Amino acid sequence: QQQVKQSPQSLIVQKGGISIINCAYENTAFDYFPWYQQFPGKGPALLIAIRPDVSEKKEGRFTISFNKSAKQFSLHIMDSQPGDSATYFCAARVGQIGQNFVFGPGTRLSVLP
Amino acid sequence: KAGVTQTPRYLIKTRGQQVTLSCSPISGHRSVSWYQQTPGQGLQFLFEYFSETQRNKGNFPGRFSGRQFSNSRSEMNVSTLELGDSALYLCASSRVGVWETQYFGPGTRLLVL
Repeated sequence: QQQVKQSPQSLIVQKGGISIINCAYENTAFDYFPWYQQFPGKGPALLIAIRPDVSEKKEGRFTISFNKSAKQFSLHIMDSQPGDSATYFCAARVGQIGQNFVFGPGTRLSVLP
Repeated sequence: KAGVTQTPRYLIKTRGQQVTLSCSPISGHRSVSWYQQTPGQGLQFLFEYFSETQRNKGNFPGRFSGRQFSNSRSEMNVSTLELGDSALYLCASSRVGVWETQYFGPGTRLLVL
């Protein structure tokens, strides 16, 4: 119940294409769903996040779509660039205070020039 | 503003030894969390400290412990190291009232031989 499932494990996209990463969860008590981007040798960096009372959030080329009834959420990267090549993690917060997060296993994105 | 800093960045220990890792949060941040990242298990929450008190705890054995000082700096300790403790240990900090927005440090890579 505390798991977050993520797919695909890896993704190859051409420059200018759309990258889509999907996550699913079971625990309806999760109250905050962030996406993180991690480059090799670096810690994860918060990319964009959404709360379950919102169905979509857009920041620049990054969009989260959230389907509360299906318990699924996804990250869309529009006009993907080689600089977007990184590992992406979805996550969900356990409880409503603090930093107790469960993370998906990650998606390694490669954007070809 | 300086980011989250972690020391040391790399560490090699042998089985049975103990290790202490240090984390300095972003100035003004009072919540500090620790995560373990491995290829097999991904990112896993260890514990969170706020105002020198452990507020949340993940599912790790008692060999993993931590503490926070009055200046919000935090340390984590692993006693009786096992080969499986080899991992990237990440620290993240957040501001009071914006708990969910966490900023990660670059991590400490621990290798247990």
